Amino acid sequence: AQTVTQSQPEMSVQEAETVTLSCTYDTSESDYYLFWYKQPPSRQMILVIRQEAYKQQNATENRFSVNFQKAAKSFSLKISDSQLGDAAMYFCAYRSPNFGNEKLTFGTGTRLTIIP
Amino acid sequence: KAGVTQTPRYLIKTRGQQVTLSCSPISGHRSVSWYQQTPGQGLQFLFEYFSETQRNKGNFPGRFSGRQFSNSRSEMNVSTLELGDSALYLCASSSTLAGGQETQYFGPGTRLLVL
Repeated sequence: AQTVTQSQPEMSVQEAETVTLSCTYDTSESDYYLFWYKQPPSRQMILVIRQEAYKQQNATENRFSVNFQKAAKSFSLKISDSQLGDAAMYFCAYRSPNFGNEKLTFGTGTRLTIIP
Repeated sequence: KAGVTQTPRYLIKTRGQQVTLSCSPISGHRSVSWYQQTPGQGLQFLFEYFSETQRNKGNFPGRFSGRQFSNSRSEMNVSTLELGDSALYLCASSSTLAGGQETQYFGPGTRLLVL
């Protein structure tokens, strides 16, 4: 079974600075999908970024980028120019590539605080 | 497109009762997954439905059940509620295009409190 580990329960960053959230995972599959989701205090889970394991290029979405290290099974999220609206719980998630297996395995989350 | 909607948003029940939660996926999405979120256990997968069939099931007791209708709307039911069932229940939908690797989009959740 796959597992996802987020070792930083809480992080804080000054507004406009850069912060990196860590995520490691364990799997025996060679192909898979990784996601970062954001859950603001309103509780709506929002997709931040997605990475396909077969792609060597790291995914980016505006101020959000990932550092995907497949051999190390590491998938960190970098947030540049942090904004107050970035304050939320961030969850790393794993998904098998198998068709019909929609299950997401989540990490325990990192609570990100933005300091004005 | 409208997002995933869940009703009701908040619910208070007492032990022993049963509850039904509803989820309407994004238009065109045929896969609906359910997750339970608690402070102690985090986010845990309950089950997933596609074309009215349960395709995957997590490690939850039989008191947790679900179904999906022909319009892809889904319901989950919890019978004989226990205090530990208090949680945020999240529904997610995906389009499962060719390859089935589409992203899941989440609804706002239903907050269930069992007294």
